[in-house]
Amino acid sequence: DVKVTQSSRYLVKRTGEKVFLECVQDMDHENMFWYRQDPGLGLRLIYFSYDVKMKEKGDIPEGYSVSREKKERFSLILESASTNQTSMYLCASSFPGQSNTGELFFGEGSRLTVL
Amino acid sequence: AQKITQTQPGMFVQEKEAVTLDCTYDTSDPSYGLFWYKQPSSGEMIFLIYQGSYDQQNATEGRYSLNFQKARKSANLVISASQLGDSAMYFCAMRESLAAGNKLTFGGGTRVLVKP
Repeated sequence: DVKVTQSSRYLVKRTGEKVFLECVQDMDHENMFWYRQDPGLGLRLIYFSYDVKMKEKGDIPEGYSVSREKKERFSLILESASTNQTSMYLCASSFPGQSNTGELFFGEGSRLTVL
Repeated sequence: AQKITQTQPGMFVQEKEAVTLDCTYDTSDPSYGLFWYKQPSSGEMIFLIYQGSYDQQNATEGRYSLNFQKARKSANLVISASQLGDSAMYFCAMRESLAAGNKLTFGGGTRVLVKP
């Protein structure tokens, strides 16, 4: 089974703190994604990566950065956390879609509260 | 414009009855895929079913079926014989072949509560 592991299920941080959310997948997937989930808004894409050291902005990249130094690991960084970044963060991975559906495999999510 | 629209924020369904969750999409890409995911209260996203834009038949997976109406750009999920464990958030999503990285775009979700 594909396993996508997010380092923390729950975090509480203070405004202005630097926050790292880590994600590791064990299926050698090329693509990795970070989404945030908010009530009524569904999942919105923050950043994604289709190769090591490659990153692309999603729909809401402001206030976030990412790092992908190894194929299996994709980190989301909040340089200076703000209260409007309180949310559920979901990491996902997939194979490239040409030879399959491109289904995303998700981690369990990290619920971040910024006070 | 929203790429994926789910117009039902929440709905109740009686146990053992069928329920239809609406999803409409917007794309000019001739090749795309449509997905449904389930998110129970525990938070994990569970893949349910997939429909490709060129698939001739509607997708089915056990009690889940996708009512794909290409001309109307709708991809409704039908859950037959609802069970208490079907209570969850349900998300419709689309992958466009021209989108970089094969990213998925999600709708706002529909919360389903199955009543005993």
